[in-house]
Amino acid sequence: IAGITQAPTSQILAAGRRMTLRCTQDMRHNAMYWYRQDLGLGLRLIHYSNTAGTTGKGEVPDGYSVSRANTDDFPLTLASAVPSQTSVYFCASSQGSPGGANVLTFGAGSRLTVL
Amino acid sequence: GQNIDQPTEMTATEGAIVQINCTYQTSGFNGLFWYQQHAGEAPTFLSYNVLDGLEEKGRFSSFLSRSKGYSYLLLKELQMKDSASYLCAVADSNYQLIWGAGTKLIIKP
Repeated sequence: IAGITQAPTSQILAAGRRMTLRCTQDMRHNAMYWYRQDLGLGLRLIHYSNTAGTTGKGEVPDGYSVSRANTDDFPLTLASAVPSQTSVYFCASSQGSPGGANVLTFGAGSRLTVL
Repeated sequence: GQNIDQPTEMTATEGAIVQINCTYQTSGFNGLFWYQQHAGEAPTFLSYNVLDGLEEKGRFSSFLSRSKGYSYLLLKELQMKDSASYLCAVADSNYQLIWGAGTKLIIKP
C-alpha cells in the first residue's frame, strides 16, 4: 500500500539524548515535511524539503535537523532532546507543485516523550 | 501575524447537519484546505477551495468567501464515524500552510 511509513511509533527519551525519527514514502513525491502537533495548537512546520538534496526551515526549526539524500527518505534528528520537544511528530509528503491543490499525505505519527 | 480561528469543540446528533467555521488572516491566499483527523491517527485530506463558493463532495461540502476571510465545512447526515477533529489550513503567499488548532466534533446518538 502506497504511503508514508514513520518509525518509531512511540518513544520515551531521556533529556540530552540524540534521537532520529525516520520517514519513508513510496509515492515518488517531490516535497516532504515534518510537523509537530501539540494540544491546543495547530500543526507547526519544523523543516521541509521541496526536492531531494534541498531542505528548508519551517516555523519551529530550533533543536531539529533534517536531511534529504534521496526522494524517499526524510529523517528528523533531535541532537539533544529537551522536555519541550515532547510532542507528536508527523511526516508528510506532496507532489510539491506550486499552485493548485498541494495535498499533503501524512504518516501515522511518532509520539515522543522527553523526560 | 497570520492567524486561523476555528471553534475548539462542537457537539451534534447522529443524522443531523453541522457547520464548522474557519476564519483566517494570512499574508496572501493560495487556497484553503480542510483535513479530518481521527483521534490518534494522521490527518487526511477532505477538501480544497481557492475560488469563492461551495464545493460539494458527497455528505461533505466546503464554502469559501475570500473577501470575508471565511470558510465553513458542512457535514450532512452525520454518522458516528464522523467524530473526529477537523483542521482548517490556508496556503499563504509562499504556499506555506498555516494551520488552525482544529475543531473536535463529538457526535451523539
